[in-house]
Amino acid sequence: QQQVKQSPQSLIVQKGGISIINCAYENTAFDYFPWYQQFPGKGPALLIAIRPDVSEKKEGRFTISFNKSAKQFSLHIMDSQPGDSATYFCAATIDGGADGLTFGKGTHLIIQP
Amino acid sequence: NAGVTQTPKFRVLKTGQSMTLLCAQDMNHEYMYWYRQDPGMGLRLIHYSVGEGTTAKGEVPDGYNVSRLKKQNFLLGLESAAPSQTSVYFCASSLRGPQHFGDGTRLSIL
Repeated sequence: QQQVKQSPQSLIVQKGGISIINCAYENTAFDYFPWYQQFPGKGPALLIAIRPDVSEKKEGRFTISFNKSAKQFSLHIMDSQPGDSATYFCAATIDGGADGLTFGKGTHLIIQP
Repeated sequence: NAGVTQTPKFRVLKTGQSMTLLCAQDMNHEYMYWYRQDPGMGLRLIHYSVGEGTTAKGEVPDGYNVSRLKKQNFLLGLESAAPSQTSVYFCASSLRGPQHFGDGTRLSIL
């Protein structure tokens, strides 16, 4: 049973546009929701994270929107750049992640110049 | 500033062979994790450890064993490799919250 569902599987956005990736979770005990960015041949790197006590968190061009009642959260990349082309994973965990992260299946993002 | 280091980076095994993947972290983190990444599947947790001398099973533990004899090291063993274990293996560590990942070990089982 997949506990974190991520969409779309792939996404093509023009340079300067907004990239939006969505995730939905099932386990209401999850209380930490990070997004990871992965480039080919590298490990995932933490991009931004949110806890369910806030509805939005912004860091530079990256914003997480969180809807606790709908059990959904999304990543918005404003003014998307070719350097943002990567695979993005949403994840969720309980109580600081001691038991490990549950990942979505990933979104392959391509920013066209 | 090494962070999380995985060795080896690449390995090809024959079915039935055994091997050990090594993960080392220099951040004094308590928690360490092993994940596998397969195309279209995201990352799935194999085993994890919340401290030296402790280990626990994750989502996909079958066919793997782990040991955490020292706080900075977390070993993943394959006793009898199978083609289904062909994957990219990632180690991660954390103090609490954000996990820091290594760059992976690409393992092929023929």
